Amino acid sequence: SAVISQKPSRDICQRGTSLTIQCQVDSQVTMMFWYRQQPGQSLTLIATANQGSEATYESGFVIDKFPISRPNLTFSTLTVSNMSPEDSSIYLCSSRLAGGADTQYFGPGTRLTVL
Amino acid sequence: AQSVTQLDSHVSVSEGTPVLLRCNYSSSYSPSLFWYVQHPNKGLQLLLKYTSAATLVKGINGFEAEFKKSETSFHLTKPSAHMSDAAEYFCVVSDGLYTGGFKTIFGAGTRLFVKA
Repeated sequence: SAVISQKPSRDICQRGTSLTIQCQVDSQVTMMFWYRQQPGQSLTLIATANQGSEATYESGFVIDKFPISRPNLTFSTLTVSNMSPEDSSIYLCSSRLAGGADTQYFGPGTRLTVL
Repeated sequence: AQSVTQLDSHVSVSEGTPVLLRCNYSSSYSPSLFWYVQHPNKGLQLLLKYTSAATLVKGINGFEAEFKKSETSFHLTKPSAHMSDAAEYFCVVSDGLYTGGFKTIFGAGTRLFVKA
């Protein structure tokens, strides 16, 4: 299994500002994922981040709004840019272990409130 | 194309009684299926997974699920509910092992309430 930590655990931000969320995995992983969970909703995939390549974004999400970095096999960041109240959500980092197993492990999430 | 349907948005049981959370799926391939649990203000924890081995899968905390291909179902059960089981449960389908890519679909979730 993989243990994933995220920072910050929660934040309250002003409209128009940006927040960078960090995700650290305790082992090397091939694939890392960023999800958004809006209040009372299921998880929606924002993007897949592979080390050494550009992130792949799902429909409805764009790099200018959610830039992602993946500098190595254990770390990734997601930035929520130019925030509006509609961005208030829980943002979850997830990873899949190297070797092809398709079990995903999740971080505890970052609860973001935009005023 | 893949999809997953959790048939109940809310389930309420009394402590000590059985739990049944229903999940139907569709997939073009033989899928991998998962159940995750999310307690309030927590991340997602893997309860159990099915990846084409035994059709009855045992997970943590006394939960189990049975893969029924003919019914395209993967229902989650527990013989006796505990107050600590109150949480949101997500059924998840993935075909990554078979397509070489990776596509994971989350169900809408079922909120389990446990009454004393």
